[in-house]
Amino acid sequence: DQQVKQNSPSLSVQEGRISILNCDYTNSMFDYFLWYKKYPAEGPTFLISISSIKDKNEDGRFTVFLNKSAKHLSLHIVPSQPGDSAVYFCAAPNYGGSQGNLIFGKGTKLSVKP
Amino acid sequence: EPEVTQTPSHQVTQMGQEVILRCVPISNHLYFYWYRQILGQKVEFLVSFYNNEISEKSEIFDDQFSVERPDGSNFTLKIRSTKLEDSAMYFCASSVGRLNEKLFFGSGTQLSVL
Repeated sequence: DQQVKQNSPSLSVQEGRISILNCDYTNSMFDYFLWYKKYPAEGPTFLISISSIKDKNEDGRFTVFLNKSAKHLSLHIVPSQPGDSAVYFCAAPNYGGSQGNLIFGKGTKLSVKP
Repeated sequence: EPEVTQTPSHQVTQMGQEVILRCVPISNHLYFYWYRQILGQKVEFLVSFYNNEISEKSEIFDDQFSVERPDGSNFTLKIRSTKLEDSAMYFCASSVGRLNEKLFFGSGTQLSVL
């Protein structure tokens, strides 16, 4: 049961252009979303998050948009840089247990070409 | 910047052998986790740990798995009798707060079961 879906396994973008990574979710109880970035041979690192009470959160070149009615969020990177080449994971907290845990999508591999 | 440290970075073992994966979480964090990622698949939650006991575990975390915090700094994952399907990248993570809205991950241990 995929509660967090990233349907594009890969994306290739030219340096300087916009990268748009998409994520869909099925659980309407999710109230917080996170994006993690992962380089090869490293663990995921937190990038940006958004609460469900907002529809946009911006941090430098990174902006996350949330469309609750569509259960969709997207990460925009403008302008894209070669150093942004990584796998990007969308995640949401599952508060079902006493401590909670993160549910991840399968990830989208972004390649930014110089 | 403080980081989560995992050792070893690679572990090769024979099917049926026991392995112990080690982690040193960030020192002021109280909540600890193990996740894994099978090649080409999503990052999956295994177990969460707080106050010297398991808070929550997934279906993957069966009787072959155990976790321990043997001292004030280490957090270990033991697989008693490894199977081929246990081959994966195992990530340790820690967080300050309970609802793990922001997890800090280690670089992972690549476990290969032959």
